[in-house]
Amino acid sequence: EVQLVESGGDLVQPGGSLRLSCAASGFSFGDYAMAWVRQAPGKGLEWVSGIIGRGPTTYYADSVRGRFTISRDNSENTLYLHMNSLRAEDTAVYYCAKDWARNKFYFDYWGQGTLVAVSS
Amino acid sequence: DIQMTQSPSSLSASVGDRVTITCRASQGITNTLAWYQQKPGKVPKLLITAASTLQSGVPSRFSGSGSGTEFTLTINSLQPEDVASYYCQKYDSAPFTFGPGTKVDIK
Repeated sequence: EVQLVESGGDLVQPGGSLRLSCAASGFSFGDYAMAWVRQAPGKGLEWVSGIIGRGPTTYYADSVRGRFTISRDNSENTLYLHMNSLRAEDTAVYYCAKDWARNKFYFDYWGQGTLVAVSS
Repeated sequence: DIQMTQSPSSLSASVGDRVTITCRASQGITNTLAWYQQKPGKVPKLLITAASTLQSGVPSRFSGSGSGTEFTLTINSLQPEDVASYYCQKYDSAPFTFGPGTKVDIK
């Protein structure tokens, strides 16, 4: 059974940093692209960042490029999102999502999400 | 970057009605479009890929169509369990943008 479990969400001050983790199990993690998608309270889905299964290729939304860094450890089956220079508008539930097929970047499994709140 | 829009932003329909949601891309994306359903308090569920391919286990009352810049999601015979927000997503190339969503409820 595919499981994605996010952690690391917290209340942080503007300008602060945070690292989110997503522990994956139940599939061959390194064979699939992964992504982070966020949802601000009462709002829609926003694709944030993606990373292919193997190799260095990463993608970012304009809203986070230069501030967020996605990475993965295929030996530990874990996806990360390093977030710097956080802003109030980054407040959201952050979901980890698994690619349906190799590097297609649509998502068949989602974690339950972790809440990031940016406020002073 | 390609922008995604959806219409309407919300709708209310009766059980048994046919419901149509439109998703538009600001530039052509061939058929690289997915649809998701998000029920209140739940995570998104993948419904349709390649604009019209129904995912396994999705009821056949759901269907998708379109290519290029205009796409539709149709729910034939709306059911109470279909109350949800529906999102389209492009996946031709990064950024893999979602549409703003359409909230569907029962009249």
